[in-house]
Amino acid sequence: KQEVTQIPAALSVPEGENLVLNCSFTDSAIYNLQWFRQDPGKGLTSLLLIQSSQREQTSGRLNASLDKSSGRSTLYIAASQPGDSATYLCAVLDSNYQLIWGAGTKLIIKP
Amino acid sequence: GAGVSQTPSNKVTEKGKYVELRCDPISGHTALYWYRQSLGQGPEFLIYFQGTGAADDSGLPNDRFFAVRPEGSVSTLKIQRTERGDSAVYLCASSSDYSTDTQYFGPGTRLTVL
Repeated sequence: KQEVTQIPAALSVPEGENLVLNCSFTDSAIYNLQWFRQDPGKGLTSLLLIQSSQREQTSGRLNASLDKSSGRSTLYIAASQPGDSATYLCAVLDSNYQLIWGAGTKLIIKP
Repeated sequence: GAGVSQTPSNKVTEKGKYVELRCDPISGHTALYWYRQSLGQGPEFLIYFQGTGAADDSGLPNDRFFAVRPEGSVSTLKIQRTERGDSAVYLCASSSDYSTDTQYFGPGTRLTVL
């Protein structure tokens, strides 16, 4: 059974720092991996999607990598801003076309 | 309204009552998904539709939960004889291709069962 783990559960850093969020999954048979952002009381916003054949995706200050064989992904945020404060979730699309989710990393960027 | 919409945004009900939650997907999206999210957890898959049919309903917790999508667009999640443990945020998402496309999420319906 696919399981997704995110470390750390919470992270607080000063504005301007670069940071890395980690995601690991137990079964490498995935179609893709997605990183989402969730703001309090709001829905989920897709940030980056990496297909299983890809190694990384970039969007602005965000870069996500995927190492399928080791079951790991990282989300790199450059030059963090207070507006980046949110919960970041990763999810893998498994062999049954189901999105399996981590519990998220709650990120706080201090001005 | 280009995004996924869900109604109501909040629903408070009493134990044992019946509730319906509605999802309007992005126009033209053939795939529609329902998830449930409890506080501090990631979403949990419930069911997904490809067109009008439920392609996978393995995530529905029991037979009190049922979902329909009669015309391949709007979907309704129905919960009978609600229990306090059903309290959660129910999320709907849609995508143009169930296999590889990004899923676009609605704001969710917060269900509270008293």
